This record gives sequence, structure tokens and C-alpha cells, in this order.
Amino acid sequence: RKEVEQDPGPFNVPEGATVAFNCTYSNSASQSFFWYRQDCRKEPKLLMSVYSSGNEDGRFTAQLNRASQYISLLIRDSKLSDSATYLCVVNKNDMRFGAGTRLTVKP
Amino acid sequence: DTGVSQDPRHKITKRGQNVTFRCDPISEHNRLYWYRQTLGQGPEFLTYFQNEAQLEKSRLLSDRFSAERPKGSFSTLEIQRTEQGDSAMYLCASSDDIWAYEQYFGPGTRLTVT
Repeated sequence: RKEVEQDPGPFNVPEGATVAFNCTYSNSASQSFFWYRQDCRKEPKLLMSVYSSGNEDGRFTAQLNRASQYISLLIRDSKLSDSATYLCVVNKNDMRFGAGTRLTVKP
Repeated sequence: DTGVSQDPRHKITKRGQNVTFRCDPISEHNRLYWYRQTLGQGPEFLTYFQNEAQLEKSRLLSDRFSAERPKGSFSTLEIQRTEQGDSAMYLCASSDDIWAYEQYFGPGTRLTVT
């Protein structure tokens, strides 16, 4: 079993749609959780950290469930510019990236 | 632009040759990380430096791989006796101590071993 597993995708959604990604992790001792975004042929960039209480940044909401060892990312009112691969990242002693979920937002 | 830079951006080499990549982190960042990414996968952690000290190495980092950061600034990653399985994107990232998990990635070096 991989340490970090994500929805395989791809997700193809129309503009304005709400889309949710899930991620599960295997190491219960993991300490920190993040979502990174990676555009095609570009480097990953931090999108947001994920806190136990849940956190929101504009159209993006991230949640963590430590008991079930999963993380989610919700994107509301999708924009064309949201098209990218979203990487779930879990940290204990080092950063472990999921394989990513590809999102395409279409007009 | 004072982001993370990597050189070269692309490298094609023949199997068995040695290659060396360079990473220049953001100047005020004392942490530097190397990752490897293959198509359809997320970045895989290879190794991590805090200043000039190499604090952690992944089991992925075989004996053919070596990384250095001699003065705590730029870092090099060398692969000896390259194999076709080494073909990948090699990403470097840096961060500071306070926001250690906010890593800034460089554009990567794409290695193709023929």
C-alpha cells in the first residue's frame, strides 16, 4: 500500500462546478498535511496547509480527519485556471507526495 | 527573480555515464531538498540538507547517487553509472526553518538516459 493515496482522476468539470478530492495516508504518526498544485510541465507549488480544524482560502477548503487518516480538498466555483494536478502531501520526517489528481475545468 | 534555480534544465546521457546537477536555493533558505519525479507520479523524496549538513537520505538514494552542499548554499546531485531507470525529473526545493514545510521548488532537471 502506498503511503499517500489519492483519487486517480482525471476529473473533468465545467466552469462553476464544485469538485472534491480525497487523499488517504497510512502513517498515523504523520504530523503535517498540505495540498500542492502542479501545472503541466511545471514545478509543484504550495496551495494550502491542512489543519485539523479545517481551513478555507477563498474558493478552496481543506479538511483533515486524523481518526480516518484522510484529507480532502474542495474547490468551489471552478475556474479554467484551476486546471492542474493537485498533490496531497503528508509530512512526518520528510514530505511524502501522493501521485496527484488531475483536474481539467472546461468552459 | 530570486527563486530556486536548477542547471541544466535538460540532460541526455548514455547509460553508464556520470551526470551532475546543480541547485541554487533561495538565498535566505537554509534547508534544501532533492526529489525525483516520474511521469504520473508525485515527487519522491531523495535527500535533505540543513545548511551544509545532509540530515536525511531516502532508501531510494542508492550508492550511485551522492549529494553535497559544501558551503550551505548551492547543492549538487551526482549520479554515477547512470541506468535507464534513472530517467526522471530531478527537482530541488528550499525552505527556511520557520516555515519548513513551505517548500519552493525549482523548475527541475529532466534527465534522459539512453
